[in-house]
Amino acid sequence: DAGITQSPRHKVTETGTPVTLRCHQTENHRYMYWYRQDPGHGLRLIHYSYGVKDTDKGEVSDGYSVSRSKTEDFLLTLESATSSQTSVYFCAITSEGGYTFGSGTRLTVV
Amino acid sequence: QKEVEQDPGPLSVPEGAIVSLNCTYSNSAFQYFMWYRQYSRKGPELLMYTYSSGNKEDGRFTAQVDKSSKYISLFIRDSQPSDSATYLCAMRPYGGSQGNLIFGKGTKLSVKP
Repeated sequence: DAGITQSPRHKVTETGTPVTLRCHQTENHRYMYWYRQDPGHGLRLIHYSYGVKDTDKGEVSDGYSVSRSKTEDFLLTLESATSSQTSVYFCAITSEGGYTFGSGTRLTVV
Repeated sequence: QKEVEQDPGPLSVPEGAIVSLNCTYSNSAFQYFMWYRQYSRKGPELLMYTYSSGNKEDGRFTAQVDKSSKYISLFIRDSQPSDSATYLCAMRPYGGSQGNLIFGKGTKLSVKP
């Protein structure tokens, strides 16, 4: 995916542990987004950022926090993972006409 | 009523068929309309983008927006097995927060050889 990478690609974690997902972009885009995708719900916005240290909540922000200390990195933290946070997480950046998405992180909370 | 409605399918067609995918919406402020294609275990990729009403064509793909009916469509001509994917519509108002792109839940398409 052009200029945007997510890590890790897969993760299994235990309930109650903190988890951090990383999104890295190389195109100096101002806006970055975190979505989760679940069957029957589609893509839902968790948090987004409109600049370094500037973030805002999305539709499903409870239980998640984000940080953006550099333009290129946008971190999503699950403060205390729960089974309901088992999902596929996508990072996105604004591109011409729409968004460019990363390849996703498949997170399983057991 | 959900802001964006999209039939989840699955939709199965023979190779070479014309495919019609649709979304309806309730917010008359939506001005930007997009279609994304998502292959299994991949991120969505932008396929088509239109502003306001009208048609846009790109190869075998045509996007239509009918704002009076709050209805958007994606047509795929001469469908190929490689078109098998989930198709998501997305839309947002003019201006406003960049965080308010609303997605449909996606339609799963299978094109059989």
